[in-house]
Amino acid sequence: EPEVTQTPSHQVTQMGQEVILRCVPISNHLYFYWYRQILGQKVEFLVSFYNNEISEKSEIFDDQFSVERPDGSNFTLKIRSTKLEDSAMYFCASSELRVSLAKNIQYFGAGTRLSVL
Amino acid sequence: DAKTTQPNSMESNEEEPVHLPCNHSTISGTDYIHWYRQLPSQGPEYVIHGLTSNVNNRMASLAIAEDRKSSTLILHRATLRDAAVYYCILSQDNTGKLIFGQGTTLQVKP
Repeated sequence: EPEVTQTPSHQVTQMGQEVILRCVPISNHLYFYWYRQILGQKVEFLVSFYNNEISEKSEIFDDQFSVERPDGSNFTLKIRSTKLEDSAMYFCASSELRVSLAKNIQYFGAGTRLSVL
Repeated sequence: DAKTTQPNSMESNEEEPVHLPCNHSTISGTDYIHWYRQLPSQGPEYVIHGLTSNVNNRMASLAIAEDRKSSTLILHRATLRDAAVYYCILSQDNTGKLIFGQGTTLQVKP
């Protein structure tokens, strides 16, 4: 069964460093998402991406964050200068293109645990 | 963002049915009701979704009230692997994002 793949599974970085989290969405999917989950808290939406541009972003997704689809398969989340509070699980998700966004089924990866020291 | 209300936790015995309730009194006519679950240390996983009619798939059933202000996820025979946090989410047509609440933590006892 096709699945969303995320690498690395765990990333440790120093505060102020840049990190890039990588995702390989399901191959025929056209919508891509990033979510994060701080330990013990809710899953939070960060950004959605379609047709090589951001469709929607949350207040969390500030200038320190960026997303890119550098080739036909990868979808990346970059954090330019990490802060302690960026420590969280980051989940990538993808979905097919459907006429109604409300019907979209999102398939999630297993996540990348980011630890900022 | 449309809101849902779920109990914080529920318990079930293995191989018994489980009914997980969700209230969404502010639902609008085009909102779909989605259920996802998150097993320990994993990403969220799609379970089922519906608009007005009851829905069945290999994982579960979704019963939607006639006024659409509430719904119930039904696991017909709970297994230990069904222990997870279950999220009821309203998905709106003008946005693809999922807004997760705290969900219901389901504990399944052997």
